[in-house]
Amino acid sequence: QVQLQESGPGLVKPSQTLSLTCTVSGGSIDSGAFYWSWIRQHPGKGLEWIGNIYFSGKTQYNPSLESRVTISLDSYKSEFSLKLSSVTAADTAVYYCATYSAYDAAFDYWGQGTLVTVSS
Amino acid sequence: EIVLTQSPGTLSLSPGERATLSCRANQSVRYTYLAWYQQKPGQAPRLLIYGASSRATGIPDRFSGSGSGTDFTLTISRLEPEDFAVYYCQHYGSSPPYTFGQGTKLEI
Repeated sequence: QVQLQESGPGLVKPSQTLSLTCTVSGGSIDSGAFYWSWIRQHPGKGLEWIGNIYFSGKTQYNPSLESRVTISLDSYKSEFSLKLSSVTAADTAVYYCATYSAYDAAFDYWGQGTLVTVSS
Repeated sequence: EIVLTQSPGTLSLSPGERATLSCRANQSVRYTYLAWYQQKPGQAPRLLIYGASSRATGIPDRFSGSGSGTDFTLTISRLEPEDFAVYYCQHYGSSPPYTFGQGTKLEI
């Protein structure tokens, strides 16, 4: 069973870059079974897909965030990362990493989530 | 982009009752690629249903999904106390973004 764990700063200053890492265990990040994804949830709100990366390095991003988002993958460390630049208070949210399976077209596994607050 | 609209926003029921949650798309969903998730306070979402009607591993059979095209339903046949949560539907078409409905809160 795949397990995911987010890590990174819980507080980011406005205009800076938010950086998070998701460590994968219980499965191979190179297997091709999943798209490695980032999803966020603003306080008290619904879910917003940010983007994902495949083991080949191919990425997909939400068009609403594409100009500020970079997702990368490090197979040696079995982790993938999110960078979101030029953050504002509107980027304050719980950030989840998750796996998207093309087989069942769903997000099968989720990390526990990490709250990132944008504030000076 | 497919937009998913869930109704009702809040559903108030009692344990033992039947819950029916709706998810409507603004255009036809490809290959019934429609999933449902449950989220409890302070927890990550959990996959319940994929492919509109297939239960994910370990999901009790009181949860069932149905629908095709633009109209989908999640049914919980007999509510247990642990079922009171927020439920989201989700779809991915042929290009980004992956979209979620706004959620239905199921409350006692």
